[in-house]
Amino acid sequence: GNSVTQMEGPVTLSEEAFLTINCTYTATGYPSLFWYVQYPGEGLQLLLKATKADDKGSNKGFEATYRKETTSFHLEKGSVQVSDSAVYFCALRGSGAGSYQLTFGKGTKLSVIP
Amino acid sequence: EAQVTQNPRYLITVTGKKLTVTCSQNMNHEYMSWYRQDPGLGLRQIYYSMNVEVTDKGDVPEGYKVSRKEKRNFPLILESPSPNQTSLYFCASSLYSPSTGELFFGEGSRLTVL
Repeated sequence: GNSVTQMEGPVTLSEEAFLTINCTYTATGYPSLFWYVQYPGEGLQLLLKATKADDKGSNKGFEATYRKETTSFHLEKGSVQVSDSAVYFCALRGSGAGSYQLTFGKGTKLSVIP
Repeated sequence: EAQVTQNPRYLITVTGKKLTVTCSQNMNHEYMSWYRQDPGLGLRQIYYSMNVEVTDKGDVPEGYKVSRKEKRNFPLILESPSPNQTSLYFCASSLYSPSTGELFFGEGSRLTVL
């Protein structure tokens, strides 16, 4: 079946530091990939997505590139802010019969300190 | 305002006492889903519904029931709750299948079963 593996957290960074959160996946066919963000006390929100190999998703200064050769979709941001403190989830939507479900990673908690 | 509304937001109950967590969306979405979020396990799908009267099991359906009698509502029913169902529950919806990953989440319902 499909699976998503994220780097373990928590991750603590100083403001303006560079962020990378690793995400790798296992899937058959041609999955679509997503990053969701969960701010404290809230539900998840879609942050960015990529639907085919070599696509780059971007939003709010975050970027991730769909790398089929390494089955990865790492999240990056050049300069984090305190307001980026949240839990980040990598997710995968399978193709074909698996397209009705999203498979989530376990989440990575990011704390940004001033 | 477009939203997914869950109730109750917080609930403490005892083993075996039937309860229902309601979920309602005002976006005319066809697809709805329930997830539970547990520390170290991330989000796991309980049930989903592609449309009215169409429901299917997710990854962890045991101990739960759902119904989809109307497009806007998708209640989660725990017929005989047990302590291992203590969790944070999220309802989510999207226009069709989550083909674009545009899942909209409710704010969550924190359930404690004593």
